[in-house]
Amino acid sequence: EVQLVETGGGLVQPGNSLKLSCATSGFTFSTAWMNWIRQTPGKRLEWLAQIEDKSNNYFISYLESVKGRFTISRDDSKSSVYLQMNNLKEEDTAIYYCTGGYGYNYFDYWGQGVMVTVSS
Amino acid sequence: DIVLTQSPALAVSLGQRATISCKTNQNVDYYGNSYMHWYQQKPGQQPKLLIYLASNLASGIPARFSGRGSGTDFTLTIDPVEADDTATYYCQQSRNLPPTFGGGTKLELK
Repeated sequence: EVQLVETGGGLVQPGNSLKLSCATSGFTFSTAWMNWIRQTPGKRLEWLAQIEDKSNNYFISYLESVKGRFTISRDDSKSSVYLQMNNLKEEDTAIYYCTGGYGYNYFDYWGQGVMVTVSS
Repeated sequence: DIVLTQSPALAVSLGQRATISCKTNQNVDYYGNSYMHWYQQKPGQQPKLLIYLASNLASGIPARFSGRGSGTDFTLTIDPVEADDTATYYCQQSRNLPPTFGGGTKLELK
């Protein structure tokens, strides 16, 4: 059974940082391209970042609006992917999903999501 | 970024056909593939992949679901509609980075 479990969400003040983790099992993590996608309170889905697999030198891409604030990383030995979020803003409030796939940039696997609320 | 446009809502009767459309402002075809994908999201759940590359059924998805289209116009069809199909359906393109999603179409029963 495929499982992706996100942790690390919560309530944070503007300007602060948060690190999300996603532990996975049930699929070949080492060759998967892993992503973070968020869903805003208005239900809009927004892709944030992607990290490719070792054969693609762990190439990383970001949504322009989060570049410099968010950092994606992975640990193949733990089948886990991470999202470090710095200088958080109120508009970063959303449910954050960890997703995975094998090229063509569609998302086969989704976690259950973790809520991040940025508010003073 | 490529913009995807969906109608906000659609109401159909049980057993009838539902056709959900997605239009893009740029061609999403490339080397024989249409980089368009469809997801289903039920309340309180994560999205689930239904269709990839415009017309390919994802694993475990019933054959009542089908997708077609090319270029800038795509459709997801559910035939026949069952009660369990009430959900929001999103299209997503991956022709260009960043991958982008449509605003979603909420399918309701009449």
